Amino acid sequence: AQKVTQAQTEISVVEKEDVTLDCVYETRDTTYYLFWYKQPPSGELVFLIRRNSFDEQNEISGRYSWNFQKSTSSFNFTITASQVVDSAVYFCALIVSGGYQKVTFGTGTKLQVIP
Amino acid sequence: DVKVTQSSRYLVKRTGEKVFLECVQDMDHENMFWYRQDPGLGLRLIYFSYDVKMKEKGDIPEGYSVSREKKERFSLILESASTNQTSMYLCASSGRDRGVYEQYFGPGTRLTVT
Repeated sequence: AQKVTQAQTEISVVEKEDVTLDCVYETRDTTYYLFWYKQPPSGELVFLIRRNSFDEQNEISGRYSWNFQKSTSSFNFTITASQVVDSAVYFCALIVSGGYQKVTFGTGTKLQVIP
Repeated sequence: DVKVTQSSRYLVKRTGEKVFLECVQDMDHENMFWYRQDPGLGLRLIYFSYDVKMKEKGDIPEGYSVSREKKERFSLILESASTNQTSMYLCASSGRDRGVYEQYFGPGTRLTVT
């Protein structure tokens, strides 16, 4: 069985601070995919990034960066110079290869950026 | 852009009523999913469908059924609504033709059962 743990329930930062959202996953499969989603107050989950288990390269997209480390089963998400618009709930998720793309979600981290 | 739409943003129903939640996607995706989201519990999968007329139970199927008569449409049915089904319901879809794909979500339906 798969499991995704987001230990941080809520985080508050002041605008322009950097913040890292932690994600730890568990799976026995060797081929799997990791995702991050953003859920703003409007409610709709928005896809941010996908990573497969064979690609440990870190990725940067503007103020967002992701650090994937198989050795620690972690897929952490960093927002640099946070902005009020980053306030949302962020979900980390896992799909293992095969099957019907059933996703295992973490319980989410609520990020509040204070102006 | 992928678009997933849900029939209602807010819905109020009475205990015992039959409730239909509709979801439509316009990207010809094979897979469709229904989740419910509750504070502190994250997203929990109710049912999913990987093809027309096909369905699989998720983690919490009790009290729900689904219907997928057309590829673009996936309906969630509460046969007899109960107060513990008050929740946010999210529909999602994903493609399968090139491997594993991210899911695209609708805006959600906030259902209140009184």
